[in-house]
Amino acid sequence: QQQVKQSPQSLIVQKGGISIINCAYENTAFDYFPWYQQFPGKGPALLIAIRPDVSEKKEGRFTISFNKSAKQFSLHIMDSQPGDSATYFCAAGRQSGYSTLTFGKGTMLLVSP
Amino acid sequence: GAGVSQSPSNKVTEKGKDVELRCDPISGHTALYWYRQRLGQGLEFLIYFQGNSAPDKSGLPSDRFSAERTGESVSTLTIQRTQQEDSAVYLCASSFSGKSSYEQYFGPGTRLTVT
Repeated sequence: QQQVKQSPQSLIVQKGGISIINCAYENTAFDYFPWYQQFPGKGPALLIAIRPDVSEKKEGRFTISFNKSAKQFSLHIMDSQPGDSATYFCAAGRQSGYSTLTFGKGTMLLVSP
Repeated sequence: GAGVSQSPSNKVTEKGKDVELRCDPISGHTALYWYRQRLGQGLEFLIYFQGNSAPDKSGLPSDRFSAERTGESVSTLTIQRTQQEDSAVYLCASSFSGKSSYEQYFGPGTRLTVT
């Protein structure tokens, strides 16, 4: 019940295209859903996060879509650029109390020039 | 300000040896996390510290793994009698609060290779 399932495992998108990464969770207690971005040789860094009181959050070219009833959320990268090539991790956690995040297994995105 | 730092950046050790990995979190961050990242795999949670205590050790894979934190600052992850399957990048993260909605700031990791 603690798992967060992420797909696809890898993704190749042409420059200017839309990259879409999907995640699904089972624990209905989760109410915080961040995405982390990791470049080779670096630690992950927070990219964008959403709370379930909204169905969508947009920051620049990055958008999180959230479907509470389906227990799914996704990251959309519009106008994908070669500099977006990285590994993306979705995660889920609970805002109340002290708890850790549960991370998905990651998606390796390659944006071809 | 300085981010999370980890040392060493790389460690090669022989099977059966003990290793210590160090994490220096961002000053003032009360929460500290250790993760393991095997090649091409996701982030595997190991242990979480709130202050100097570890309320969640559920991710430690065996009793060969232990961690401590002192002075609500530096943390050390110790792996005893290393095995080849311990080869991975070990990531440390810190957060202002242990609540999951607070951003975790990751260090660059320690790449451990067990030969």
